[in-house]
Amino acid sequence: AQSVSQHNHHVILSEAASLELGCNYSYGGTVNLFWYVQYPGQHLQLLLKYFSGDPLVKGIKGFEAEFIKSKFSFNLRKPSVQWSDTAEYFCAVTVNGNEKLTFGTGTRLTIIP
Amino acid sequence: KAGVTQTPRYLIKTRGQQVTLSCSPISGHRSVSWYQQTPGQGLQFLFEYFSETQRNKGNFPGRFSGRQFSNSRSEMNVSTLELGDSALYLCASSPMAGAYEQYFGPGTRLTVT
Repeated sequence: AQSVSQHNHHVILSEAASLELGCNYSYGGTVNLFWYVQYPGQHLQLLLKYFSGDPLVKGIKGFEAEFIKSKFSFNLRKPSVQWSDTAEYFCAVTVNGNEKLTFGTGTRLTIIP
Repeated sequence: KAGVTQTPRYLIKTRGQQVTLSCSPISGHRSVSWYQQTPGQGLQFLFEYFSETQRNKGNFPGRFSGRQFSNSRSEMNVSTLELGDSALYLCASSPMAGAYEQYFGPGTRLTVT
């Protein structure tokens, strides 16, 4: 069965710092990859997704993620974070032929003004 | 468009009881998926319904069941509640089958005492 690892449980950054959140999955076949975000008191919402094509995917609010197949990774990046980026971030994957969405355990991001 | 709605938002039940949670998807969405979110296990897929048929099922015991109605509204039932069933239950809807772009509701917080 596929699994998703997010090794950073809690990340604290100052405003304007650059962000990279790690996500690794364990499946050797075709995958679809997602990042979801949950702002305080809000619903889980889709940040960006990768199905095929350009491995560098751009999402909402200036976020991007790069799919590196050889490393089984889909790290989330943002060049300059804002206080409003404080949230919990979840990486998720579906594998070819199995459309169950498997989530990582999430990374809590705290931005200090 | 109205978002995904879930009722009730909070629920307290006693061990051994059963509970039914309801989810109304975004208008026009025919796929509804259910997830359990706990601090220890994170977000785990329960099942997906599309056009009143269960398409996928996660690794949960048979005490967890669901159904979907012709208007795409879905219900999830948990029988013989255990303390470990205390969790946030999230519903997500999608215009198409599978996990390609899901819109999440606010969740139902279930506490089992």
